[in-house]
Amino acid sequence: QVQLQESGPGLVKPSETLSLTCTVSGGSINRSPYYWGWVRQPPGKGLEWIGKFYYSGSTYYNPSLKSRVTISVDMSRNQFSLNLSSVTAADTAVYYCVSIYSGSYYWYFHHWGQGTLVTVSS
Amino acid sequence: EIVMTQSPATLSVSPGERATLSCRASQSVRTNLAWYQQKPGQPPRLLIYAVSTRATGIPARFSGSGSGTEFSLTISSLQSEDFAVYYCQQYNNWPPEYTFGQGTKLEIK
Repeated sequence: QVQLQESGPGLVKPSETLSLTCTVSGGSINRSPYYWGWVRQPPGKGLEWIGKFYYSGSTYYNPSLKSRVTISVDMSRNQFSLNLSSVTAADTAVYYCVSIYSGSYYWYFHHWGQGTLVTVSS
Repeated sequence: EIVMTQSPATLSVSPGERATLSCRASQSVRTNLAWYQQKPGQPPRLLIYAVSTRATGIPARFSGSGSGTEFSLTISSLQSEDFAVYYCQQYNNWPPEYTFGQGTKLEIK
């Protein structure tokens, strides 16, 4: 069974860069036809997709965050990372890493990490 | 951006009764529609994908329907463990984008 685990600082200062890592176990990041990505949820609010990547190199971001987001991968460690620059209090949220099944006819967000709360505050 | 609107925001239903949750897209999403359940302190869990296909392990009392811009999730006989927040989600192929509805909280009446 695939499991995902987020890790990283729980507190980030305004204007700095938020950095999180997702470690995947029980399956390989180069497993087709899965994409891997990030979703966030501000406290008490709904879900927002941040971005996704495919092991072959394709990366896509939410247009509303695209100028500040970078997702990268370390295949040797079966990990992928999120960098979100120039953060403000509006970026305070629980951040989830996810696996995204992307078949020819359907897709879904399959596996989710437990989530990690990142607070932006000085 | 395709906007997903869920209604109602909160739905109060008694155990054993039927619940129907609605999701409307600002433009056609064809069959690119999924539903998730989220309980407090937990990540969302996939319930339904491709409008009406139940995910592995999801009880038959959960069903999805709809097409184009109007979708619904029905829980035929509510169990205590079904009281949670439910989100619909669409996928736009190009440019790749996923958007969620704002959620419907299903609470015990």
